Amino acid sequence: DAGITQSPRYKITETGRQVTLMCHQTWSHSYMFWYRQDLGHGLRLIYYSAAADITDKGEVPDGYVVSRSKTENFPLTLESATRSQTSVYFCASSEDPTGTGELFFGEGSRLTVL
Amino acid sequence: AQKVTQAQTEISVVEKEDVTLDCVYETRDTTYYLFWYKQPPSGELVFLIRRNSFDEQNEISGRYSWNFQKSTSSFNFTITASQVVDSAVYFCALSSWNQGGKLIFGQGTELSVKP
Repeated sequence: DAGITQSPRYKITETGRQVTLMCHQTWSHSYMFWYRQDLGHGLRLIYYSAAADITDKGEVPDGYVVSRSKTENFPLTLESATRSQTSVYFCASSEDPTGTGELFFGEGSRLTVL
Repeated sequence: AQKVTQAQTEISVVEKEDVTLDCVYETRDTTYYLFWYKQPPSGELVFLIRRNSFDEQNEISGRYSWNFQKSTSSFNFTITASQVVDSAVYFCALSSWNQGGKLIFGQGTELSVKP
């Protein structure tokens, strides 16, 4: 029973380093999302993807890069990590483009930038 | 612009009390969807309910009930006879028709149920 998995679950890095958070889903859902969760802000959308090779910015995209060469994978890269990017990151997927369906979330990746 | 507001940052109740979590939303769309998610201390996000903008019927599921009122742009969540296991952060969220399922989340309400 796979579903949607994120790795690593926990990561500590230093300012200026590149970090990649991985997201893999086994449902072949077209839509995938990256959110960050911060106290007082709830979850905010970083990037999303409607299909392989189609990505678009969300509410807080600065400092992040995504790619989607395969439907099942949607990695999120912090090219030069900053302390403000310390957060919990959630990947999600959906099969429903109309917005009616629920998002299926991964377990989250807790990133600390020192 | 779309927005979801959960004005209650933290709520603390004693077990068996009823508690209502407020959610107010803003959207110009006529077709939209409202959601509630639960995030227990273990951290995962658990889907609770989805409601579309054309269905204002209240819904009850066990101890949980939801009150959707378009006139006040609210989608409130009530837990009856709360239990310690209800302790979690609860998020209200909004999505619009044909927006690829993008959810706009509220800030979350942390509910603490004490024995």
